[in-house]
Amino acid sequence: GAGVSQSPSNKVTEKGKDVELRCDPISGHTALYWYRQSLGQGLEFLIYFQGNSAPDKSGLPSDRFSAERTGGSVSTLTIQRTQQEDSAVYLCASSLVGQGAGEQYFGPGTRLTVT
Amino acid sequence: KQEVTQIPAALSVPEGENLVLNCSFTDSAIYNLQWFRQDPGKGLTSLLLIQSSQREQTSGRLNASLDKSSGRSTLYIAASQPGDSATYLCAVPISGNTGKLIFGQGTTLQVKP
Repeated sequence: GAGVSQSPSNKVTEKGKDVELRCDPISGHTALYWYRQSLGQGLEFLIYFQGNSAPDKSGLPSDRFSAERTGGSVSTLTIQRTQQEDSAVYLCASSLVGQGAGEQYFGPGTRLTVT
Repeated sequence: KQEVTQIPAALSVPEGENLVLNCSFTDSAIYNLQWFRQDPGKGLTSLLLIQSSQREQTSGRLNASLDKSSGRSTLYIAASQPGDSATYLCAVPISGNTGKLIFGQGTTLQVKP
């Protein structure tokens, strides 16, 4: 079956522009997560969705970052007024059940470069 | 606060060797522990998830063990192959209404032909 997919795979944008990153989770997975991985850094949690609601958005670095999930499926991470420090690989994951109880499956990531 | 540590940071072995990767965590109240593999420039591939009630989980040449009381997990790779070269990460979820995983920094494995 299909795994987690993300688009675009690569995105280059100018500082100050807005970007949207998309995640399509595995069908039937109720939980969805966004993480990011900066060059040479570890994985940083951003936000957790259970269905369409986000019980934990504690990892969003600033109010320039927002995310939504619709229909219990697709999620979009939006970064407004991008800064160079936003450059990273943004990874999406999904699991059958949430609250840490389920195995998380990751997508291939979106590599964001802010110039 | 949960912290996850992986030792060693890097490991180089000749093909065919059996090897052990280590993961330790500070808070033993975990649901489960997950091992991942990451190839350069790629996402994470889930290798094994071991539940808190389990002591071992096996998949092919991989065997993960979990000792909650001592806050440790090991990933055993039998008969290593060059294709096993990658970064291996362990992660545990924190408690509460969140799915947040806390990751170790990873062990980068190189298996030489």
